[in-house]
Amino acid sequence: EAGVTQFPSHSVIEKGQTVTLRCDPISGHDNLYWYRRVMGKEIKFLLHFVKESKQDESGMPNNRFLAERTGGTYSTLKVQPAELEDSGVYFCASSQGGGLAGRSSYNEQFFGPGTRLTVL
Amino acid sequence: AQSVTQLGSHVSVSEGALVLLRCNYSSSVPPYLFWYVQYPNQGLQLLLKYTTGATLVKGINGFEAEFKKSETSFHLTKPSAHMSDAAEYFCAVGGTGRRALTFGSGTRLQVQP
Repeated sequence: EAGVTQFPSHSVIEKGQTVTLRCDPISGHDNLYWYRRVMGKEIKFLLHFVKESKQDESGMPNNRFLAERTGGTYSTLKVQPAELEDSGVYFCASSQGGGLAGRSSYNEQFFGPGTRLTVL
Repeated sequence: AQSVTQLGSHVSVSEGALVLLRCNYSSSVPPYLFWYVQYPNQGLQLLLKYTTGATLVKGINGFEAEFKKSETSFHLTKPSAHMSDAAEYFCAVGGTGRRALTFGSGTRLQVQP
């Protein structure tokens, strides 16, 4: 079974340009997460989809970031316009469906290899 | 709110030596705790996790970690380091169900021959 895939693996753009990152989760996984790691810092949560709906977007840094998951399959994360501080590695993760309540409902998150974004 | 502190951004050990990577967490609810590893040019791979039950958990590649509630710690250990263990290790805490994870800043492990 294929794991979580992300495209592109690397992207180098200039400040002010637009970049779109794509994540293909494991087939059948309802939950899709975006995380970001800025150089040397911790990996930070950006947002969480359940199927096509945004469950939690509290980690999105500002309105230059737009995430979509049309049809509840793959997801895109667009940065427009990109700024220098957007540089980092963007990770996508997916997990099976499950409830929010109860300790028995933990679902392991499977991570993709990440997209390294460099804004010059 | 949850947070994770990993002591030491870089740890260097000799091959065959004990590996100890430290992780302390803060959580307002009983936590789920995880260690992930990232090898060069690869994604994050789950090493081990604590959700409930036995506080000493064993993971892949000979790693284990012990949940100590009184110390709010979840340190990762391996008795004997191997060259192939060189990677970056992340401790993370999660809540119930499908909530997002909160990560530490990572510890890069270097193994010297």
